[in-house]
Amino acid sequence: KQEVTQIPAALSVPEGENLVLNCSFTDSAIYNLQWFRQDPGKGLTSLLLIQSSQREQTSGRLNASLDKSSGRSTLYIAASQPGDSATYLCAVKDVNTGNQFYFGTGTSLTVIP
Amino acid sequence: GAGVSQSPRYKVAKRGQDVALRCDPISGHVSLFWYQQALGQGPEFLTYFQNEAQLDKSGLPSDRFFAERPEGSVSTLKIQRTQQEDSAVYLCASSLGQDQPQHFGDGTRLSIL
Repeated sequence: KQEVTQIPAALSVPEGENLVLNCSFTDSAIYNLQWFRQDPGKGLTSLLLIQSSQREQTSGRLNASLDKSSGRSTLYIAASQPGDSATYLCAVKDVNTGNQFYFGTGTSLTVIP
Repeated sequence: GAGVSQSPRYKVAKRGQDVALRCDPISGHVSLFWYQQALGQGPEFLTYFQNEAQLDKSGLPSDRFFAERPEGSVSTLKIQRTQQEDSAVYLCASSLGQDQPQHFGDGTRLSIL
């Protein structure tokens, strides 16, 4: 079974700082990897989707990279803002199971004004 | 509406009661997923529909859990004879296709007393 790990579990940074969130997965046979943010009491908002053939995706201040062979992805947030405070989750769609997304437990980010 | 809608937002039930949770996906989305999210954890896959066909129910924890999507649009997750360990947030997601980003609802928070 695919195991997804996110480090760190929590992160607190001052406003304006650039930061990196890490995601690792145990089986490199994936269809894609998706990064989400989750605000308290809310569902998940999709941030970036990287297909297995891609190396990175960018959206505004966010950049996600994928190194499938080493089982790693990073989410880079530039010039962080207090509104970025949320839990960030990564999820992989596994080739072996096809339909399932396997989620990490998330990184709780606090951006201090 | 523009997004995935789930109802009710909160449900409290006594142990042993049956509950039904509803999901209205984004119009035109073929794929629909149900997830269970325990406090402080990432979502865990329950089941997947493509149109009205339930193609994967491997994540359903017991035969007390049942999901349907009879007309390929609205889906209902039913839990019979609820137990305390069923307390969690139940998330629904839809997507245009398997390789497309998943869009999540805000979830139903289920508490079993």
